[in-house]
Amino acid sequence: SAVISQKPSRDICQRGTSLTIQCQVDSQVTMMFWYRQQPGQSLTLIATANQGSEATYESGFVIDKFPISRPNLTFSTLTVSNMSPEDSSIYLCSVVTGQAFFGQGTRLTVV
Amino acid sequence: QKEVEQDPGPLSVPEGAIVSLNCTYSNSAFQYFMWYRQYSRKGPELLMYTYSSGNKEDGRFTAQVDKSSKYISLFIRDSQPSDSATYLCATPSNSGYALNFGKGTSLLVTP
Repeated sequence: SAVISQKPSRDICQRGTSLTIQCQVDSQVTMMFWYRQQPGQSLTLIATANQGSEATYESGFVIDKFPISRPNLTFSTLTVSNMSPEDSSIYLCSVVTGQAFFGQGTRLTVV
Repeated sequence: QKEVEQDPGPLSVPEGAIVSLNCTYSNSAFQYFMWYRQYSRKGPELLMYTYSSGNKEDGRFTAQVDKSSKYISLFIRDSQPSDSATYLCATPSNSGYALNFGKGTSLLVTP
């Protein structure tokens, strides 16, 4: 199993600013995943973060908008840059150790 | 066409009712199917998984896969107010350990 601590749990941000979300796992994992959950929509994979290499982004997501760091095997950050109201969403990190585990999510509101 | 389609509901049932939640998927090569439960302000948690076709039962929950029609179902017997949550079906993605999710069905069980 894996326990994931994600913070902040929620935030309200001004448009044009950036927010960095942190994800800490209680065990070493090779891959960490970042998802977005927009209202009424399915969880959508943003990128896969591997330690020691650049993140792999899914179609529709770019590094300039969602830079990711993965400094070690238990930690990752996702930054939402130059935010607009369309970025209001829940952001979740996830790891797979036998099954997929998720953090509790970061509820972001951009005003 | 999305990989996994799911009616988002909401679905409201009285306590003790039998609940049927359904998804369809597009890729006939999928062999592994999962149901996640997500309580409000929490991350998704794995509820059940099935491999290939057939049924799998766990207490009040039964997961069913019909590969001929690409249809997956979750049945909840004797539903309880504590079952009130969003239920998401998922399949593995083509890119590795990440998952494809349906939109999730919001379920409310009223006392």
